[in-house]
Amino acid sequence: GESVGLHLPTLSVQEGDNSIINCAYSNSASDYFIWYKQESGKGPQFIIDIRSNMDKRQGQRVTVLLNKTVKHLSLQIAATQPGDSAVYFCAENGGRGYSTLTFGKGTMLLVSP
Amino acid sequence: NAGVMQNPRHLVRRRGQEARLRCSPMKGHSHVYWYRQLPEEGLKFMVYLQKENIIDESGMPKERFSAEFPKEGPSILRIQQVVRGDSAAYFCASLRDRDQPQHFGDGTRLSIL
Repeated sequence: GESVGLHLPTLSVQEGDNSIINCAYSNSASDYFIWYKQESGKGPQFIIDIRSNMDKRQGQRVTVLLNKTVKHLSLQIAATQPGDSAVYFCAENGGRGYSTLTFGKGTMLLVSP
Repeated sequence: NAGVMQNPRHLVRRRGQEARLRCSPMKGHSHVYWYRQLPEEGLKFMVYLQKENIIDESGMPKERFSAEFPKEGPSILRIQQVVRGDSAAYFCASLRDRDQPQHFGDGTRLSIL
């Protein structure tokens, strides 16, 4: 069936490095994608989103890239900080306009000082 | 400007009891979503509601689970005759308009003894 999945379950980086978290999706109908950050004991926190009519979007220290040809999404975090340590989820809407989201399993980002 | 409020944060029930989880969306948000998260997994969609209407309940188990979003008051996720497999974190999200990022509460951790 359709699914959203992540390549790496755990990513360990040094403080100051750039981090890249990848996500593959298989539902070609998806036209809206979101990255969330979840810290222990908390709910998902919105980071950045992108629509299918774009291939890149930048925020503060974060960039999302969308490659529709290979159905691939990535989150780049510049100058990673210890406070960035969390689980990161990508989510897609399957083309459903009311934003019912399908989440991937998540990638744990560990940032060492 | 309060975010999405969920209560209780932790709920313990014995098998066969009922669990009621409450969610107050952000001010001005009329769309509410419930998700379930098992340990080390992503969030799974359960149900999408607008005021007094269930829009999509395709992720809800057929039995024992129900949800409502009355005209006044919070949205309620109700689980009757709980079983151990219902142990999970339940998250609520709200949004103002379609195709906007969903904002999540910090969840209710349900434990079944």
